[in-house]
This record gives sequence, structure tokens and C-alpha cells, in this order.
Amino acid sequence: EAGVVQSPRYKIIEKKQPVAFWCNPISGHNTLYWYLQNLGQGPELLIRYENEEAVDDSQLPKDRFSAERLKGVDSTLKIQPAELGDSAVYLCASSSSSYEQYFGPGTRLTVT
Amino acid sequence: AQSVTQPDIHITVSEGASLELRCNYSYGATPYLFWYVQSPGQGLQLLLKYFSGDTLVQGIKGFEAEFKRSQSSFNLRKPSVHWSDAAEYFCAVGAGRDDKIIFGKGTRLHILP
Repeated sequence: EAGVVQSPRYKIIEKKQPVAFWCNPISGHNTLYWYLQNLGQGPELLIRYENEEAVDDSQLPKDRFSAERLKGVDSTLKIQPAELGDSAVYLCASSSSSYEQYFGPGTRLTVT
Repeated sequence: AQSVTQPDIHITVSEGASLELRCNYSYGATPYLFWYVQSPGQGLQLLLKYFSGDTLVQGIKGFEAEFKRSQSSFNLRKPSVHWSDAAEYFCAVGAGRDDKIIFGKGTRLHILP
């Protein structure tokens, strides 16, 4: 069974540019999470989807971040415009049951 | 609100030695507790979890953890570490009906040959 797939793995952009990350969860997993992981820190939840509905986006900075999961399968996280402080690893996870989250390898974003 | 503390940022042990990584949590009721491992450039992999029942939990890769309610702790142990165990280890607590998991800041494990 394939795991959670994320792309790209690495992205370098200049500040004020837009960037998008893609996540394809494990087949059959209805719940999808996007996490932000700063250097030396644990992951912090940005947004959680149940199928196509965002059920927890309280930690998503909505002035510059947006996410979508239109068909309840894969998801895209966007930042526009990016700031220097957005440099971090963006992790996607999926689950089919409570608390059993499976993580992708992450996208490492560097904003210059 | 729940929180997790991992008091050790770095731990260094010799290969073949025993390991214990500390984790303390804060939550009013019985929490769900997890240990994840993250190798460089990789996502997080679940090592083990505690939901209820036996307070000594066995996980993958020879790891175990013990839930101690009186100490609000969930320490991770391994009797003999291998060089491949060098990684970042995260303790996490889940609580409530929203399946939200709160992660600690992690402990980086270094292995001496």
C-alpha cells in the first residue's frame, strides 16, 4: 500500500512569491491534515479535513494561507505571498480512524 | 488544554546501551499518548501508542513505553540501541473528540559507535 505522497519535496522561492504544496493521502483515508514543522520543533496543525470539509482551520493564517480538498482525496496548501518566516517543513498526514495518523515525507520550503 | 514536555533536547548514547527518553504531559483526563520517530528528511512514523489498558506498551523496532498516571509521564525505552535509531523522537498527546494531537518539541538521539 502506498503511503502519503507529497510534492514537491523541496522548494526554494523568493519572498512575496506564491507557492503550493500537494498531498495525496493513503487510499481510503477520509481525514487529511496539514502540519507546519519549524526547525527544532514538533509539528503544529494548520488544518484538518474530513472528506472535503475543513473541520479545523483555526491555526491556519488565513491572510496568506489557503487550502483545498475539492474531491475529498488529494489536497493543496497554498501560500501567497510567502514571507521569510514561512521557511519550514510542511507535513501532510492522513487517517481512517481516530488518532492513527500516517505522515508523508514533507515539503521543505525555503523563502529567500 | 493539553501540552507535552520533552525535557531533553539532545540525548547521546553508545550503541548497544539502553535508552530512555522522557515525556511529560498535561491533561485533565486520561490522554491518548504517542511516540513518533522522524529520520532526517522523512515524515513521522508512529512507534507506539497508549489508549487504555496495560500501561506498558510495546511498539515497533524494539521500543516500549510506560504510562505513569501519577507522574504524568510516558517515557520511551529501548534496552539496546542500534546506530539506525539515531533520529528525532516526538512524544504527543491526543485528547478530546476532535482527534487533535499535540506534539512535544522533540528529542534528538545521537548514537556513539
